[in-house]
Amino acid sequence: NAGVTQTPKFQVLKTGQSMTLQCAQDMNHNSMYWYRQDPGMGLRLIYYSASEGTTDKGEVPNGYNVSRLNKREFSLRLESAAPSQTSVYFCASSIEFVNYGYTFGSGTRLTVV
Amino acid sequence: KNEVEQSPQNLTAQEGEFITINCSYSVGISALHWLQQHPGGGIVSLFMLSSGKKKHGRLIATINIQEKHSSLHITASHPRDSAVYICAVILQGAQKLVFGQGTRLTINP
Repeated sequence: NAGVTQTPKFQVLKTGQSMTLQCAQDMNHNSMYWYRQDPGMGLRLIYYSASEGTTDKGEVPNGYNVSRLNKREFSLRLESAAPSQTSVYFCASSIEFVNYGYTFGSGTRLTVV
Repeated sequence: KNEVEQSPQNLTAQEGEFITINCSYSVGISALHWLQQHPGGGIVSLFMLSSGKKKHGRLIATINIQEKHSSLHITASHPRDSAVYICAVILQGAQKLVFGQGTRLTINP
């Protein structure tokens, strides 16, 4: 099915471990985004890629890195996980940057202990 | 104060009732999104609008740019409409999407 695919769906990490969240879209969208969702707060932008070959920081980039591997794939890396990074992470894509409808992945629930 | 405020935060209603969820914002915007987050966590884009009204099935979204306010209405509500509804605005000139905290809707049979 067309859409945004995120892996894994669930992950538990120990403090200090690293991991990469994978995201791929098959809709030929130019822009891709990583958000985190915490209880009582709206979705917050971590990093975005307005187009292939570019990445930029969002509101809460500290502790994260991203790679726009190609037009389809946009990965999020936690180099040294901290309990404050316990959250639900969503990848999203849009045809062009911001001013178009978004398609979201199903989310990754990450717990850092 | 958040740039985007939704009300109510929680809403419980009986099947068949007409539902209204409100979104107010304090900044200039170029467009506004309504999103639906299912209990399983997935997020679906319902509408993007910059003026007037849009309708899709039993869902209606309206926006008043001058009053900085948008509403999402659900007619003949059904338990499957139970979800969190999220308002998000595109800041004018900033190409930035700002999200509200969401409204949790529960429709009882």
